Amino acid sequence: DAGVTQSPTHLIKTRGQHVTLRCSPISGHKSVSWYQQVLGQGPQFIFQYYEKEERGRGNFPDRFSARQFPNYSSELNVNALLLGDSALYLCASSIQLDPRVYGYTFGSGTRLTVV
Amino acid sequence: GNSVTQMEGPVTLSEEAFLTINCTYTATGYPSLFWYVQYPGEGLQLLLKATKADDKGSNKGFEATYRKETTSFHLEKGSVQVSDSAVYFCALSGGYSGGGADGLTFGKGTHLIIQP
Repeated sequence: DAGVTQSPTHLIKTRGQHVTLRCSPISGHKSVSWYQQVLGQGPQFIFQYYEKEERGRGNFPDRFSARQFPNYSSELNVNALLLGDSALYLCASSIQLDPRVYGYTFGSGTRLTVV
Repeated sequence: GNSVTQMEGPVTLSEEAFLTINCTYTATGYPSLFWYVQYPGEGLQLLLKATKADDKGSNKGFEATYRKETTSFHLEKGSVQVSDSAVYFCALSGGYSGGGADGLTFGKGTHLIIQP
């Protein structure tokens, strides 16, 4: 079975540009979450979506937005990129909204470098 | 709010040594607790979890017990191998309260280096 897949794996953008990251969850998983992992730190929660609706948001500026599609795949969009947005962006999927029993399965991430 | 504190790394051990990585947490309600492992250049892999007090999670020789009285979830392994070298993250989930999901809250990670 395919795991959580993310694309692209790496990309380089210039300050001020826009970026779209994509995630396909494990088949049957209806919830997708996004995390930002800055080098040397633990991942920070950005968004959680379930059944195409936003169900949770971390402490990130409005430049960050996301959506979930009918097939449960998801996009993370970041506008007006800053150098500080350089990070590994991780997508995680889970069977249900409450992850306490089944937990999350993470993808390998997209490495974003802003120059 | 929720928070997780892990022991600072890097932690360097010889092969076959005993491992303990300390983790304590602050949370409201009854969170679930997780240990994730990250190998170089890769995403996070779930190592083990516990969903209620006194539960013991175990996998690949690693163990951790959910201690509500000490708000701890320390990771242990009796005999480490070079292949265990990685970054280990302790995390908690407060779940979904109806007011919104709060995702996973991670510690800063502990870099473990095992020398042959």
